[in-house]
Amino acid sequence: DVKVTQSSRYLVKRTGEKVFLECVQDMDHENMFWYRQDPGLGLRLIYFSYDVKMKEKGDIPEGYSVSREKKERFSLILESASTNQTSMYLCASSLVEYEQFFGPGTRLTVL
Amino acid sequence: AQSVTQLGSHVSVSEGALVLLRCNYSSSVPPYLFWYVQYPNQGLQLLLKYTSAATLVKGINGFEAEFKKSETSFHLTKPSAHMSDAAEYFCAVTGSSNTGKLIFGQGTTLQVKP
Repeated sequence: DVKVTQSSRYLVKRTGEKVFLECVQDMDHENMFWYRQDPGLGLRLIYFSYDVKMKEKGDIPEGYSVSREKKERFSLILESASTNQTSMYLCASSLVEYEQFFGPGTRLTVL
Repeated sequence: AQSVTQLGSHVSVSEGALVLLRCNYSSSVPPYLFWYVQYPNQGLQLLLKYTSAATLVKGINGFEAEFKKSETSFHLTKPSAHMSDAAEYFCAVTGSSNTGKLIFGQGTTLQVKP
């Protein structure tokens, strides 16, 4: 069965902390994505990766970076967390045929 | 540029009633279209997809959607709502470049009343 896992379901961090969100997929997918989801705004793409070590900015990359050292793992990094980064973060993966498979999400609270 | 508009951020129906969730898209290339469902505190799950085959697409849990090119619409329907259908629903369209990106609508929350 297809699986995308995220390292934490809930996370609480302090302003200024460096935060790592990890995502792993077991489907050998080339593409991986990080979104944030906020009420009334739907899903907004932060970054995506179409191959190992390859990445492209999405719609809202400011304040975030990513790392993809292995095909199955895509990490989202908040260099210095701020309260406006409190959100639900969703990871997804896909083959080139577009259907994306989502992880369960990480609800991040920055105090 | 590609875009998706979901009409109505909240829809309320009675159990057993018809469910209709509206989605209109804008695309400069032949689109692929998707409907996803999200239950509380979970990720998104694919309901159905249109990839240029049959215009009437059947999905899981009794949902279906019809691709209407002339109306640039891809509305989601279910003949009879069940309490378990209460969730948030997202419509999505493929991006303009062949990168695998999807453009999501803002979501519609479906409430089912007993």
